[in-house]
Amino acid sequence: DAKTTQPTSMDCAEGRAANLPCNHSTISGNEYVYWYRQIHSQGPQYIIHGLKNNETNEMASLIITEDRKSSTLILPHATLRDTAVYYCIVKQGSGNTGKLIFGQGTTLQVKP
Amino acid sequence: EAGVVQSPRYKIIEKKQPVAFWCNPISGHNTLYWYRQNLGQGPELLIRYENEEAVDDSQLPKDRFSAERLKGVDSTLKIQPAELGDSAVYLCASSSPGTPRETQYFGPGTRLLVL
Repeated sequence: DAKTTQPTSMDCAEGRAANLPCNHSTISGNEYVYWYRQIHSQGPQYIIHGLKNNETNEMASLIITEDRKSSTLILPHATLRDTAVYYCIVKQGSGNTGKLIFGQGTTLQVKP
Repeated sequence: EAGVVQSPRYKIIEKKQPVAFWCNPISGHNTLYWYRQNLGQGPELLIRYENEEAVDDSQLPKDRFSAERLKGVDSTLKIQPAELGDSAVYLCASSSPGTPRETQYFGPGTRLLVL
């Protein structure tokens, strides 16, 4: 599976959009981009995933560049409860075959 | 729908002692995962089960770690004997091909401290 690179930490003001970048320059054609987050003292939680088209759900939006070498997770209106570590993961297939390989993620601090 | 249940939530033991962690996955999920998460790091997969069969245990330190999922539902992860370096959070997750997004659902983890 391709490796991902994320900033170690980011701050965001409450109510503003949080844009979390991820580089995955070695991604291959059948690999999906997944985003999970982990709030302190909890297990990771699925946010969103995509292959090449932009995706949106009730939690976030995922923007994948045309060459698929990078992506951005967007939390449109960040709240204090969005403070967490955000993991960008590249994985073969959209199903539960293939393991999730977590990096160190981005620690997002939402400030009042 | 109940989530993934793990127990205990916290465990403190002395080195060389045995320890066991228990996981009850979401009902109907046939795939179960055990991860280990060291402080400041992301989770690392230890073992994956499809029903009662371990299909990926390549990262499980087999000299001291063992796992079982006898009836394809609950699972137990054991360490014997524990070492100082085993201090970590042990996470259980489950998934199923029939669920939306086919994502992994994680439990809260068991925080182990070996003294």
